Amino acid sequence: GENVEQHPSTLSVQEGDSAVIKCTYSDSASNYFPWYKQELGKRPQLIIDIRSNVGEKKDQRIAVTLNKTAKHFSLHITETQPEDSAVYFCAASIGLAGGYQKVTFGTGTKLQVIP
Amino acid sequence: NAGVTQTPKFRILKIGQSMTLQCTQDMNHNYMYWYRQDPGMGLKLIYYSVGAGITDKGEVPNGYNVSRSTTEDFPLRLELAAPSQTSVYFCASTTAGAGEVYFGPGTRLTVT
Repeated sequence: GENVEQHPSTLSVQEGDSAVIKCTYSDSASNYFPWYKQELGKRPQLIIDIRSNVGEKKDQRIAVTLNKTAKHFSLHITETQPEDSAVYFCAASIGLAGGYQKVTFGTGTKLQVIP
Repeated sequence: NAGVTQTPKFRILKIGQSMTLQCTQDMNHNYMYWYRQDPGMGLKLIYYSVGAGITDKGEVPNGYNVSRSTTEDFPLRLELAAPSQTSVYFCASTTAGAGEVYFGPGTRLTVT
């Protein structure tokens, strides 16, 4: 089955600096790669996603890149702010028969932005 | 839309007790999931359902049961609670194809 590895497990950056979180996946059939942000005590929420036919996607201060050949994708946060502090999960998704989406999550990265 | 809702928000169980965690979604999603998240850890899939009447085991199903009698509801049953089941439980749903997974607010369960 699919295996998603995520690094680093913890990341501390100074406010205003950039943060990069990297994920690798094993199943070349994966075709959808979302990123979720989970603030303390809250539910995970989608912040950005990318599909396998796209190499890069940007939304204001966050961007995601995908390298299908190497089977890795990354989240980039620029000009970090204290409210970016949270746990971030990557995921890889495979569409199966009947429309079912098999989602495999990474183990999470705890990002701390130091004011 | 309320999205995905869960009850209760918090619960303390004694070892050996049973309970049902409720989950409802109003987005007409066919696919529903139960995850558990242990402190400081990632999300582990317990059970999932591809539609009313159809359920299947995920990564960590032991000690749990589910049912899906309607599209909207996907309750998770804990039988004979054990301390190892202390966790935060998230219900989630998606529509067909690759897209966002919508999570409920979670149920924080402590078994002592």
